[in-house]
Amino acid sequence: QKEVEQDPGPLSVPEGAIVSLNCTYSNSAFQYFMWYRQYSRKGPELLMYTYSSGNKEDGRFTAQVDKSSKYISLFIRDSQPSDSATYLCAMRGRGNNRLAFGKGNQVVVIP
Amino acid sequence: NAGVMQNPRHLVRRRGQEARLRCSPVKGHSHVYWYRQLPEEGLKFMVYLQKENIIDESGMPKERFSAEFPKEGPSILRIQQVVRGDSAAYFCASSHAQLSNTDTQYFGPGTRLTVL
Repeated sequence: QKEVEQDPGPLSVPEGAIVSLNCTYSNSAFQYFMWYRQYSRKGPELLMYTYSSGNKEDGRFTAQVDKSSKYISLFIRDSQPSDSATYLCAMRGRGNNRLAFGKGNQVVVIP
Repeated sequence: NAGVMQNPRHLVRRRGQEARLRCSPVKGHSHVYWYRQLPEEGLKFMVYLQKENIIDESGMPKERFSAEFPKEGPSILRIQQVVRGDSAAYFCASSHAQLSNTDTQYFGPGTRLTVL
């Protein structure tokens, strides 16, 4: 079983729709959770960072963590064509700087 | 405010040659990480370095790969005798000291290595 599972299937949505992405993980030592956005042929850009269960909101983005279920989500409201990118979940344990990544979800927002 | 700098952005090598990838961290960051992204795969951790020290190399292949972060100058990821399977995007990230509750890693634009 991989440490971090993220269904890599591409996702196409119309502009204005809500995008919902999620990852599951198996390592209960993971305590810190991140979502990165990666445009084609660019480096990952940090979007959201959280370390507690519950919701964290930043503009149109909401990150949700459920440590009891080992499940994290990212929601993008009022999606825009500029949101078209690959979204990577990442996580690490306390005292461990190594990030474990999911495979990434390619999102296409259609105008 | 320069972010993480990597060069070259694209590197082409023939099988058996050496590849050297460079990374300059965010100003003030003393910790550097290297990750590899193979086609259709997520990023995989390779190595974590502080100045003049390798902290965690658990993701590095046992042979042909080495990394350093000297007291002066950029971090270098070196791949000797490259093979086609080394073709990938190599990303460097940096952070402040030991990651706290509020700190994380910031990534560079990557070096895309193609082995012919």
